[in-house]
Amino acid sequence: QVQLQQSGPGLVKPSQTLSLTCAISGDSVSSNSAAWNWIRQSPSRGLEWLGRTYYRSKWSNDYAVFVKSRITINPDTSKNQFSLQLNSVTPEDTSVYYCARASVGATRGAFDIWGQGTMVTVSS
Amino acid sequence: SYELTQAPSVSVSPGQTASITCSGDKLGDKYACWYQQKPGQSPVLVIYQDSKRPSGIPERFSGSNSGNTATLTISGTQAMDEADYYCQVWDSSTVLFGGGTKLTVL
Repeated sequence: QVQLQQSGPGLVKPSQTLSLTCAISGDSVSSNSAAWNWIRQSPSRGLEWLGRTYYRSKWSNDYAVFVKSRITINPDTSKNQFSLQLNSVTPEDTSVYYCARASVGATRGAFDIWGQGTMVTVSS
Repeated sequence: SYELTQAPSVSVSPGQTASITCSGDKLGDKYACWYQQKPGQSPVLVIYQDSKRPSGIPERFSGSNSGNTATLTISGTQAMDEADYYCQVWDSSTVLFGGGTKLTVL
């Protein structure tokens, strides 16, 4: 079955870059019927979609407006994984970060597979 | 900007029917999804495309979406259904989540 395994540091200093990776098993990051997403959750702001990467003859990305200037999501086909980079973090970026698959065919774009979540704290 | 509104909490007795709603402008024109999240766990998809259940989700979970309201219905609610529930839609190549509803089974 499809599984997503997240990795990355749980503590990031203010103004630095938050970097997380999501390793995919049982599916391909290059799949034409999936999109690979990052979502975060905090008690104050709930669930927030950050962005996605997907392959449809070429690679594309969509990002949430509120982080568009600070975010990069990249696929890594050699390792079958994708990554999140969020620049210039502040304490307001403290959240649990999830990677998730949106399956276009099977569940019409719903997030049907989620990673285990990574608690990231932004603090000096 | 588009917003989805959910009641913060809903209570239901075991065996009864729980209805959790999600409101948004012309929400019925979009496809709604629902997620269940238990403490310390990742969300789980329970309804997609308004009313479809992924494999492995019990039949007691059902959904509807019309007008300005999407509804998640849990028939014969069990203690194991106590969780937070979130609605979600796609809007102009971005994703929106509702604020979540805590379902208490008592």
